[in-house]
Amino acid sequence: DVKVTQSSRYLVKRTGEKVFLECVQDMDHENMFWYRQDPGLGLRLIYFSYDVKMKEKGDIPEGYSVSREKKERFSLILESASTNQTSMYLCASSPYPEGLSPLHFGNGTRLTVT
Amino acid sequence: DAKTTQPNSMESNEEEPVHLPCNHSTISGTDYIHWYRQLPSQGPEYVIHGLTSNVNNRMASLAIAEDRKSSTLILHRATLRDAAVYYCILRDPNAGGTSYGKLTFGQGTILTVHP
Repeated sequence: DVKVTQSSRYLVKRTGEKVFLECVQDMDHENMFWYRQDPGLGLRLIYFSYDVKMKEKGDIPEGYSVSREKKERFSLILESASTNQTSMYLCASSPYPEGLSPLHFGNGTRLTVT
Repeated sequence: DAKTTQPNSMESNEEEPVHLPCNHSTISGTDYIHWYRQLPSQGPEYVIHGLTSNVNNRMASLAIAEDRKSSTLILHRATLRDAAVYYCILRDPNAGGTSYGKLTFGQGTILTVHP
């Protein structure tokens, strides 16, 4: 089974801090994604990457950046955390870029910015 | 993305079959119907997907209406571990750019399974 591991289940950070969320997948998938999940808003795509060092903005990239130096690792960076970035963050991976292949999700990181 | 409509909640008893409906009247000819579920405190989990024909896998069955405007996820024997939020979404395999990563999950159906 594909395993997508997010480094932290819970994080509490202060406003203005730089925050790193790490995600690692063990199935050599080309594509990796970062979403945030908020009540009433469903999942929203922040960034995705289809290859090492390649990235594309999703629907809500403002305030975030990403890094993919190795195929298995995709990091989400909050440059200066704000309270409106309090959310559940979900990382996912998939082997193919088209819309057929299932996305494999991690268990999420619940980030609270105070 | 074409919109899907699901009931807010459903209940079932353990060991009984569960039929979770999804309406997608604006589905396009190239949209695949995907189902995911999200157990408490976990990320979404892929369940099944299909285009026109009914599909079966180890987790569930997917029944797709002939006009494709609706589908039903069937759990043949519900267990307590099937209690989750079930999401029906449409994905276009030809969509480029951000579309292929963009999953519009909506609110889903909260399934409660009683012992």
